[in-house]
Amino acid sequence: GQNIDQPTEMTATEGAIVQINCTYQTSGFNGLFWYQQHAGEAPTFLSYNVLDGLEEKGRFSSFLSRSKGYSYLLLKELQMKDSASYLCAVRPLNSGYALNFGKGTSLLVTP
Amino acid sequence: DVKVTQSSRYLVKRTGEKVFLECVQDMDHENMFWYRQDPGLGLRLIYFSYDVKMKEKGDIPEGYSVSREKKERFSLILESASTNQTSMYLCASSSSSQETQYFGPGTRLLVL
Repeated sequence: GQNIDQPTEMTATEGAIVQINCTYQTSGFNGLFWYQQHAGEAPTFLSYNVLDGLEEKGRFSSFLSRSKGYSYLLLKELQMKDSASYLCAVRPLNSGYALNFGKGTSLLVTP
Repeated sequence: DVKVTQSSRYLVKRTGEKVFLECVQDMDHENMFWYRQDPGLGLRLIYFSYDVKMKEKGDIPEGYSVSREKKERFSLILESASTNQTSMYLCASSSSSQETQYFGPGTRLLVL
């Protein structure tokens, strides 16, 4: 099994940078995902890391360290529309294609 | 664009009723998933399927069953709905050659 931990809530200011951390413990690992979910809507895919290092995609970047069981999502130049829940998910080895999700981090961006 | 649709956005049922939640995807994806999402508990996997007529239990299958008769359709069945099954139900699909899961809009089910 695996435990996936991420902070419950974070607050940041418009225009700033925020880092959302995710730690996991798993008996086998086959990739880590970040999803964004606005209130009342479905999760949408943000990023996927399977190798160590940083993946950059516009204002969003995601980092993975497999040896430390650690990932973070970095959001730059925050906008009000970035207020949402951010879900960290791990694809364990031998899970088929199923994902295990963390409980999500609710990010509030303030003016 | 991948499209995953679910039969209802909101549903109200009575305790003991049989409930069908339908999910359809139009991208010829092999894999389909059913999750429920509850405050403070996050997304939890109920069942998934990686081929027609195949099904695998997720973390919380009790009280649920599924059906996958066609590749594009994955149904979640609550044989006898109970109040603790009040939740948001999310369907997702993915291709075996690409890792990303795509989600439907969700069905908010209330069991009275």
